[in-house]
Amino acid sequence: EVQLVESGGGLVQPGGSLRLSCAASGFTVSSKDMSWVRQAPGKGLEWVSIMYSGGTTKYTDSVKGRLTISRDKSKNTLYLQMNSLRVDDTAVYYCATNKWFAFDMWGQGTMVTVSS
Amino acid sequence: QSALTQPPSASGSPGQSVTISCTGTSSDVGGYNYVSWYQQHPGNAPKVMIYEVSKRPSGVPDRFSASKSGNTASLTVSGLQAEDDADYYCSSYAGNNWVFGGGTKLTVL
Repeated sequence: EVQLVESGGGLVQPGGSLRLSCAASGFTVSSKDMSWVRQAPGKGLEWVSIMYSGGTTKYTDSVKGRLTISRDKSKNTLYLQMNSLRVDDTAVYYCATNKWFAFDMWGQGTMVTVSS
Repeated sequence: QSALTQPPSASGSPGQSVTISCTGTSSDVGGYNYVSWYQQHPGNAPKVMIYEVSKRPSGVPDRFSASKSGNTASLTVSGLQAEDDADYYCSSYAGNNWVFGGGTKLTVL
């Protein structure tokens, strides 16, 4: 079965760090372009970052220098290392595969709460 | 990287049609034929309904159609059904980044 399963969310203080994981099954993460998309409570969707199959990465301006996308081929997992977290980073974080310049398959999401 | 503009709400009775607009700029919606639409029910992940402006992935009913004119894209849901009651988001590729609309809450009366 093709699916994505996120984990690693939780409560963290402002300025803290967290690493999110997105375990893939049914395909290899290095064969697809993959993104992180977040959704603040009661708000809309926001694209955060992409790792292209070739390894190139891109980020939305508000997270540059603080969030880092990566992948581990041996674990078939996509990651999002989140440093210097801010209150406005509070959101459900989804990983998704990119296809047709869209987001075609999504995980169930993991909640990140940044609060003192 | 400004968000695309969608109406916050839309509604229709079962069997009717409703259209949701999504306005961007020449740097996103108007510049690429890579507009996509997503349906999200409460507590669930989004689901892609339309990609490349007007194409439907396998399994999406043909009641869902979409188009684009200039900097504005539109999603039309025909023959409204109860299960169409959800939030809808548009998105556009904008050159190595993506922008989303603020979302439209579609209520089936």
